[in-house]
Amino acid sequence: SQQGEEDPQALSIQEGENATMNCSYKTSINNLQWYRQNSGRGLVHLILIRSNEREKHSGRLRVTLDTSKKSSSLLITASRAADTASYFCATGPEETSGSRLTFGEGTQLTVNP
Amino acid sequence: DGGITQSPKYLFRKEGQNVTLSCEQNLNHDAMYWYRQDPGQGLRLIYYSQIVNDFQKGDIAEGYSVSREKKESFPLTVTSAQKNPTAFYLCASSKIKVDQPQHFGDGTRLSIL
Repeated sequence: SQQGEEDPQALSIQEGENATMNCSYKTSINNLQWYRQNSGRGLVHLILIRSNEREKHSGRLRVTLDTSKKSSSLLITASRAADTASYFCATGPEETSGSRLTFGEGTQLTVNP
Repeated sequence: DGGITQSPKYLFRKEGQNVTLSCEQNLNHDAMYWYRQDPGQGLRLIYYSQIVNDFQKGDIAEGYSVSREKKESFPLTVTSAQKNPTAFYLCASSKIKVDQPQHFGDGTRLSIL
């Protein structure tokens, strides 16, 4: 079963603009992660935020987590054509051991030059 | 260079045939995972393993089988019981702790002849 739901399903912006993607989930989590997937390739880990954290930055990426609303957002600032990809959130449920994740459906981001 | 290698990149299956997808990692990770991705969708967990000679079913294990005889290897067999096997298959690995990112291979695309 899919834990995370991304919104929007698709997003098209111009180079230099900011892109915001949202993720909602249903159960209590230990951590939430964001991944990127270029067409026909595997996923690449971008950033991890733990349930006791509210905001995290990595380069042009900013992730927020609101556990009371069971939601997270990924902001990519000053987007580039090379950012064109699908972006997935993944949650690590609180009640499980190990590093099993549940992935959402993804947001397809297109950055037009 | 450490990473995950999936082979083959493309695979074709005839009716009634079992096929095996290879996944090898040299990251010294204890946990390994198999996911299925259908076009435009997220990842669904097929099987995962946290230790050699042990594995657990994921959300869509029916029609699939795995083995974990070595830490580095986690092959997936798509059996003839899987009636709709056409999909993109992704293998991942991670450390065993709960807040660890997963590292992905570049996938195998399986089609029916």
